[in-house]
Amino acid sequence: QKEVEQNSGPLSVPEGAIASLNCTYSDRGSQSFFWYRQYSGKSPELIMSIYSNGDKEDGRFTAQLNKASQYVSLLIRDSQPSDSATYLCAPRGGGGADGLTFGKGTHLIIQP
Amino acid sequence: DTGVSQNPRHKITKRGQNVTFRCDPISEHNRLYWYRQTLGQGPEFLTYFQNEAQLEKSRLLSDRFSAERPKGSFSTLEIQRTEQGDSAMYLCASSPRGGPGELFFGEGSRLTVL
Repeated sequence: QKEVEQNSGPLSVPEGAIASLNCTYSDRGSQSFFWYRQYSGKSPELIMSIYSNGDKEDGRFTAQLNKASQYVSLLIRDSQPSDSATYLCAPRGGGGADGLTFGKGTHLIIQP
Repeated sequence: DTGVSQNPRHKITKRGQNVTFRCDPISEHNRLYWYRQTLGQGPEFLTYFQNEAQLEKSRLLSDRFSAERPKGSFSTLEIQRTEQGDSAMYLCASSPRGGPGELFFGEGSRLTVL
């Protein structure tokens, strides 16, 4: 059974600070990892993908991956109230499986 | 708008009835996925198509659920003999060739079983 663990929160961060979201996964065969953002009442939307160990930066977002520790994180710099949402971690399974396994998500609140 | 389209957006039904949802993916996307999401949970994978072939199906999925994607275009998800536990948001997503994992979700179809 593939498991993806995220702290459900809520995680409250002051506006302008760095929000740090963490995720651990059980499937050692996972090769690619995705972060989705889901606003309340809306569908998830892809914001970051990462395939190799290390950091990947895209604007205010940085994804970090450590396959040995089975750990992936998302940093949001200069947090804005519009970043308030649930962030879903989704590894793509090994063995050719294409269906993503989503975590429960972390509910992030940016306080103005 | 050329995004993923789902209908109906809302469906209320009585226990024991059958329901069908339709998904029209982004036209150039060859992969199509169905997920189910309940409040406070992440999307739960149900099944996946590549073109018209159903390549993956959740082992947890009841045999009351069936999905088709004739001709590799739109897809339907049918739930037979609905139960109250089937109440959820049913999400369809598509992804482009060469981009597995990069899912583009529709707005979802909310099912309420009374």
